[in-house]
Amino acid sequence: AQSVTQPDIHITVSEGASLELRCNYSYGATPYLFWYVQSPGQGLQLLLKYFSGDTLVQGIKGFEAEFKRSQSSFNLRKPSVHWSDAAEYFCAVASPGSARQLTFGSGTQLTVLP
Amino acid sequence: DGGITQSPKYLFRKEGQNVTLSCEQNLNHDAMYWYRQDPGQGLRLIYYSQIVNDFQKGDIAEGYSVSREKKESFPLTVTSAQKNPTAFYLCASSTRPTGTGNSPLHFGNGTRLTVT
Repeated sequence: AQSVTQPDIHITVSEGASLELRCNYSYGATPYLFWYVQSPGQGLQLLLKYFSGDTLVQGIKGFEAEFKRSQSSFNLRKPSVHWSDAAEYFCAVASPGSARQLTFGSGTQLTVLP
Repeated sequence: DGGITQSPKYLFRKEGQNVTLSCEQNLNHDAMYWYRQDPGQGLRLIYYSQIVNDFQKGDIAEGYSVSREKKESFPLTVTSAQKNPTAFYLCASSTRPTGTGNSPLHFGNGTRLTVT
C-alpha cells in the first residue's frame, strides 16, 4: 500500500528566508505526487503536481517541488517566504491507474516570523 | 464561479443522533469524495464515488453512509454508530479519479462537526 511521510510536524521560518518542506513516499512505481496548502478552517488548495517528465515542477504562489526517484522524495521549496504563506501543507500520492483517491501525509504546519 | 459548497460550516449534534453533511458541486465533475481531518492525522478517505448511483468505501467508512443520486450532490450521513464523530469533514471532487490522469482534487471549505 502507498504511504506518505512528512517528517516535520511544525516548521518556523522568518519572512524572506528560504523554505523546504520534506515529503517521502512509499510506492512500488512512480506515483502521481501533489502538494496542497490549507489555511485555518478552509479546504485544501492545490499548489503543484507531478505526473511525469521534468522532475522539477513549478506551482502557484512561487512554490516548486523536485521529484527524486532515488530518494522517494518530493520536497516543496520556496526561495523567499511571505507572511501569507503561513498555513498547513500536505503532500499526497495517488497510484496511476487506480480509482482510489489520494493518500495524504499528516501535514506540516508553517509559521512565518516577521 | 464554479466550485464546491459544503453546508453548514459548523454543526452541533447530541450523541446518538444521525446528522447529514451537504456537499454540492457545479464543476460538472464525475468523481466526488469525503475526507475526515483530525489534528496531526492528515486527511483520511471515508467514501468516494466515481459516477452517479455508485460509491465505494474508503479507509474509515464504518459509521458513515453516503448517496449519489445526482452528479452534483454527494451527502454524507454520520450515524450514531460512529464512535468518535467530532472532526472536520472535507468534500472534494475531480473530473476523473486522480489515479487515471491529470485530474487533481478540488476541495470545499469543510464542515466542522461537534458531537456532545
